[in-house]
Amino acid sequence: DTAVSQTPKYLVTQMGNDKSIKCEQNLGHDTMYWYKQDSKKFLKIMFSYNNKELIINETVPNRFSPKSPDKAHLNLHINSLELGDSAVYFCASSQWGRDEAFFGQGTRLTVV
Amino acid sequence: QQQVKQSPQSLIVQKGGISIINCAYENTAFDYFPWYQQFPGKGPALLIAIRPDVSEKKEGRFTISFNKSAKQFSLHIMDSQPGDSATYFCAASMLNRDDKIIFGKGTRLHILP
Repeated sequence: DTAVSQTPKYLVTQMGNDKSIKCEQNLGHDTMYWYKQDSKKFLKIMFSYNNKELIINETVPNRFSPKSPDKAHLNLHINSLELGDSAVYFCASSQWGRDEAFFGQGTRLTVV
Repeated sequence: QQQVKQSPQSLIVQKGGISIINCAYENTAFDYFPWYQQFPGKGPALLIAIRPDVSEKKEGRFTISFNKSAKQFSLHIMDSQPGDSATYFCAASMLNRDDKIIFGKGTRLHILP
């Protein structure tokens, strides 16, 4: 039933490790996004994909690499994790040109 | 440069009162202005949205007022309830351009019972 689902919900890892977050949407949307929410709750877009093509890359360090195997999935791989990467990462989807974006429940990443 | 400025950062309102959150934007190319509501541990969810060709939109207890010339818009929550306690984000985007949502910094609203 879940429209936008992310896994895992929580991720605790050590500095220097590599980790991935997965996102899937069952809404039939053609556009997917990754947003980062910092400790002050500020939401900032990182990437967006439209029909599997990268549309937006908001000056995110190249340690972050999104991958969209198909329109329903957008994964985020992070290399060499740093303390500053600790945040909640939200996946979202929408239909290009339409209004509402639907968000997943987030992945809380803690780097220790 | 912050494209969408939101105030206040936090707001405490008595039950039954009116909660008002204000936002201002800079880019006149924005053509869609949503408000998102976020509860702890959850993702943001669309609450109400407006296009710049109307000055007001009302859905139940929630109203957006939009002033295109001043580049400002606000959310009014009438008869505020404890269940409205959440973080509210105003936002702006350009549909059919890049579709990315630019969020304000959020307002933590607490409704006193």
